[in-house]
Amino acid sequence: AQTVTQSQPEMSVQEAETVTLSCTYDTSESDYYLFWYKQPPSRQMILVIRQEAYKQQNATENRFSVNFQKAAKSFSLKISDSQLGDAAMYFCAYRSAQGGSEKLVFGKGTKLTVNP
Amino acid sequence: ETGVTQTPRHLVMGMTNKKSLKCEQHLGHNAMYWYKQSAKKPLELMFVYNFKEQTENNSVPSRFSPECPNSSHLFLHLHTLQPEDSALYLCASSQGGGVYNEQFFGPGTRLTVL
Repeated sequence: AQTVTQSQPEMSVQEAETVTLSCTYDTSESDYYLFWYKQPPSRQMILVIRQEAYKQQNATENRFSVNFQKAAKSFSLKISDSQLGDAAMYFCAYRSAQGGSEKLVFGKGTKLTVNP
Repeated sequence: ETGVTQTPRHLVMGMTNKKSLKCEQHLGHNAMYWYKQSAKKPLELMFVYNFKEQTENNSVPSRFSPECPNSSHLFLHLHTLQPEDSALYLCASSQGGGVYNEQFFGPGTRLTVL
């Protein structure tokens, strides 16, 4: 079974600075998808960024980018120019690309605080 | 209404009560999900429905009973729950079968079992 590990329960960053959230995963599959979700306090969880395992190029969405290291099974999220609105729980998630699986496997999350 | 909505947002119930959680998606998706989110634990997938058919039951106790009458609505019927069932219950939907299959989440129902 696949597992996702987020080793940082909490992180903090100064406004306008850069922060990196860590995620590692365990799988024997070669084809899969990885996601970062953001859950602001008392608000809905939304997708931040996604990465296909077969793509070597790291995904980027505005101030959010990932460092995908397939061999190391590592998928970190970098937030540049942090804003107060980035404060949230961040969840890393894995989905198999095999057999039409709909199942997302989540990590425990990292709580990000942005200090003004 | 847009996106994924859930009612009620908060629910307090005794162990002998019967209640239901409702989820509705306005995105034209054909797959719907129930997740349980407990403090300091990963989100746990409970059930998956594709085109109203249950495709996954993640070993959920029978005191949780899902119902999917159509692709837009999903219910979670609760009876004789335990205090450890207190959690945030999230509903999600997705197009299903797509390459990315992005799941869109509702705001959740905060359930407290006394």
